[in-house]
Amino acid sequence: AQTVTQSQPEMSVQEAETVTLSCTYDTSESDYYLFWYKQPPSRQMILVIRQEAYKQQNATENRFSVNFQKAAKSFSLKISDSQLGDAAMYFCAYRSGQSGNTPLVFGKGTRLSVIA
Amino acid sequence: EPEVTQTPSHQVTQMGQEVILRCVPISNHLYFYWYRQILGQKVEFLVSFYNNEISEKSEIFDDQFSVERPDGSNFTLKIRSTKLEDSAMYFCASGEGSSYEQYFGPGTRLTVT
Repeated sequence: AQTVTQSQPEMSVQEAETVTLSCTYDTSESDYYLFWYKQPPSRQMILVIRQEAYKQQNATENRFSVNFQKAAKSFSLKISDSQLGDAAMYFCAYRSGQSGNTPLVFGKGTRLSVIA
Repeated sequence: EPEVTQTPSHQVTQMGQEVILRCVPISNHLYFYWYRQILGQKVEFLVSFYNNEISEKSEIFDDQFSVERPDGSNFTLKIRSTKLEDSAMYFCASGEGSSYEQYFGPGTRLTVT
């Protein structure tokens, strides 16, 4: 079974600075997808960024980018120019590419605080 | 922009009672999911549903749980006899066939007393 590990329960960053959240995963599959979800205090799950395993290029969405190291099974999230609204729980998630409806496997999350 | 909706936002029930959590997935989506998140813990998969039947379920999804798509729009999760440990946030998600993304609803907070 696939597992996702987030080794940083909590992180903090100064406003306007850059922070990197770590995620590693374990799988024997070659076809899969990786995601970062943001969960603010409202507890809504908001998709931040996604990465297809077959793509070598790291995904980028505005201030959010990933460092995908397939051989190392690492998928870190970098937040640039941090804003107060970035404060939330961040969950890394894995999804098998075996079929169209495989479930997401989540890590335990990293709580990010942004200091003004 | 289409979104997944869930009702109610908060449900309080007594232990042993039946509850039904409702979801309206995005209209052209084919795959439906339920996840739960106990307070302070990670999000866990419960069940996936496709073509009017369960595709996959986790060990959490025991005989106390059932899902149904009673009409063309709703997707429900029923817990037959709630336990204290069922208290959690329950998320519905949906996905379309050609995409690998899952779109989450806002969640239903279930409190069992």
